[in-house]
Amino acid sequence: DTGVSQDPRHKITKRGQNVTFRCDPISEHNRLYWYRQTLGQGPEFLTYFQNEAQLEKSRLLSDRFSAERPKGSFSTLEIQRTEQGDSAMYLCASSLGQHREAFFGQGTRLTVV
Amino acid sequence: GENVEQHPSTLSVQEGDSAVIKCTYSDSASNYFPWYKQELGKGPQLIIDIRSNVGEKKDQRIAVTLNKTAKHFSLHITETQPEDSAVYFCAAAIRSNTGKLIFGQGTTLQVKP
Repeated sequence: DTGVSQDPRHKITKRGQNVTFRCDPISEHNRLYWYRQTLGQGPEFLTYFQNEAQLEKSRLLSDRFSAERPKGSFSTLEIQRTEQGDSAMYLCASSLGQHREAFFGQGTRLTVV
Repeated sequence: GENVEQHPSTLSVQEGDSAVIKCTYSDSASNYFPWYKQELGKGPQLIIDIRSNVGEKKDQRIAVTLNKTAKHFSLHITETQPEDSAVYFCAAAIRSNTGKLIFGQGTTLQVKP
């Protein structure tokens, strides 16, 4: 296992389309986080899972966003009816418990045209 | 609300010089402070972290200091090399059991050969 893996690396979509991203965390990590990063800014927290339970969602996560981690392993982030403002880098991170080192994936760069 | 301020936003140094990046945080209950390095088109990479029961931590050319009373923490890079050029982010884990990180705005470090 070489780290957190995200797929795809890049996604270009037309406004109004739905997109889904996947994250595979480090295998023994029980915590999985989604962050969003816009150009020139630090990552902003979106949501996190402990095992398969989604325990917190940021108010940045509108009703068009949904995240799942069905078996406590990989996670998906879906954005419905994409808007131009959704264009950003979506980052996934995983850790082994609270306040332990969080390791990030390479991110999925979404461009909505 | 929770906030992390990071300065400077850009830093240019000559190869071999030292670089210092400073952050302040608002949540006095924060107890974990990681630093990440992000290269263009890649996800953030954890380079060093410090917990609130420690005042300083070193790892080769990198050191981090923490002043809990002033709610300041700093990254020190000595003997800088061109490959240190990147964007550096500080972060603080907020009071809660989520492991959620609040990031600073980032510092673009340029090391001139």
